[in-house]
Amino acid sequence: EAGVVQSPRYKIIEKKQPVAFWCNPISGHNTLYWYRQNLGQGPELLIRYENEEAVDDSQLPKDRFSAERLKGVDSTLKIQPAELGDSAVYLCASSSSGTGAGGTEAFFGQGTRLTVV
Amino acid sequence: AQSVTQLGSHVSVSEGALVLLRCNYSSSVPPYLFWYVQYPNQGLQLLLKYTSAATLVKGINGFEAEFKKSETSFHLTKPSAHMSDAAEYFCAVSAWGGKLIFGQGTELSVKP
Repeated sequence: EAGVVQSPRYKIIEKKQPVAFWCNPISGHNTLYWYRQNLGQGPELLIRYENEEAVDDSQLPKDRFSAERLKGVDSTLKIQPAELGDSAVYLCASSSSGTGAGGTEAFFGQGTRLTVV
Repeated sequence: AQSVTQLGSHVSVSEGALVLLRCNYSSSVPPYLFWYVQYPNQGLQLLLKYTSAATLVKGINGFEAEFKKSETSFHLTKPSAHMSDAAEYFCAVSAWGGKLIFGQGTELSVKP
């Protein structure tokens, strides 16, 4: 079974430019997460989807970040315009749980390492 | 609110020695607790999880963790370290809806 697939693996952009990350979750997983991991830190949730619906986007900086999950499968995370402080690893994860099932394992992709110069 | 604290950002052990990585949690409800491992330039891989069944949880690669409610701890151990265990380890608590709240991470180094 294929795992969570993310692309690109690495991205270097100049500040003020736009950037997009793509995630394909494990087949059948209804729940999709985007996390941001700063250097030397643990991941922090940006947004969580249940199927097509964003059910928790409280930590998403909405002035410059946007996300979508069309048809409840693939997802795209976009930053426009990027700032120096956005340099981080962006991790996508998926799980089979529905809302409230806190004990279900989340499977992570390899991440996209973004460097803003 | 839930939170996790990992004691020690870096732990170094000799090959064959005991590995002990410390994690304390804060939760107003019975928690779900996880340990994940991250190798360089990789995503996170689940080592083990506690979901209110047995308090001693066995995971992959010889790791285990014990849930101690009285101490609000979920420390990760392995009897004998191997060079391949060198990685970053994250403790996490699961909030409502499956959101994971991670600790800061502990980097494990294994000396030959």
